[in-house]
Amino acid sequence: NAGVMQNPRHLVRRRGQEARLRCSPMKGHSHVYWYRQLPEEGLKFMVYLQKENIIDESGMPKERFSAEFPKEGPSILRIQQVVRGDSAAYFCASSPLNPTSGGPNFYEQYFGPGTRLTVT
Amino acid sequence: AQKITQTQPGMFVQEKEAVTLDCTYDTSDQSYGLFWYKQPSSGEMIFLIYQGSYDEQNATEGRYSLNFQKARKSANLVISASQLGDSAMYFCAMRAVGSYQLTFGKGTKLSVIP
Repeated sequence: NAGVMQNPRHLVRRRGQEARLRCSPMKGHSHVYWYRQLPEEGLKFMVYLQKENIIDESGMPKERFSAEFPKEGPSILRIQQVVRGDSAAYFCASSPLNPTSGGPNFYEQYFGPGTRLTVT
Repeated sequence: AQKITQTQPGMFVQEKEAVTLDCTYDTSDQSYGLFWYKQPSSGEMIFLIYQGSYDEQNATEGRYSLNFQKARKSANLVISASQLGDSAMYFCAMRAVGSYQLTFGKGTKLSVIP
């Protein structure tokens, strides 16, 4: 059973370009989370999505950042007009459905290997 | 709002010895979960152990145990019989029941000395 997959693993962009980060959740998981890790820091929550729905984007910067999780295909985190401060590791996590509550399983968030974004 | 504090930026431990990594938390929620993750130099986040706020017994997973003291709001990770492969960053995190997001501390870098 493949784990959470993220690509690319490393991404270099010049200031002003767009960055697109992809996340394929574990098989059977329908809940995806994005986190950002700045150097020397812990992970910070950005957004939580279910298929075709953004459930919680309270950690997402208001401008330049967007996320989607279409019915088919991976979840995408898009950063437009990147700046040096966007350089960070971006992690995706996924959870299975809790059949009792209908929401994500509370105990389980499996992380992908991360995408290291460097803005030059 | 939730907050996780890890006061030890770096720790050293001799191989085969036990080590405790500190974690304190602050929350007004009554129901929550506490998590520990390991991040080796390769960068991935590896889940280690989970403790629910209403669990009466401390969680254990192999060489990992969680020393949970609810009144003191602490959830320290104990690694027994340290191995060289335990050298990594360790992050404490929490999540309130009903919330979707994990809140992480800044981490502790553990170095195991042969």
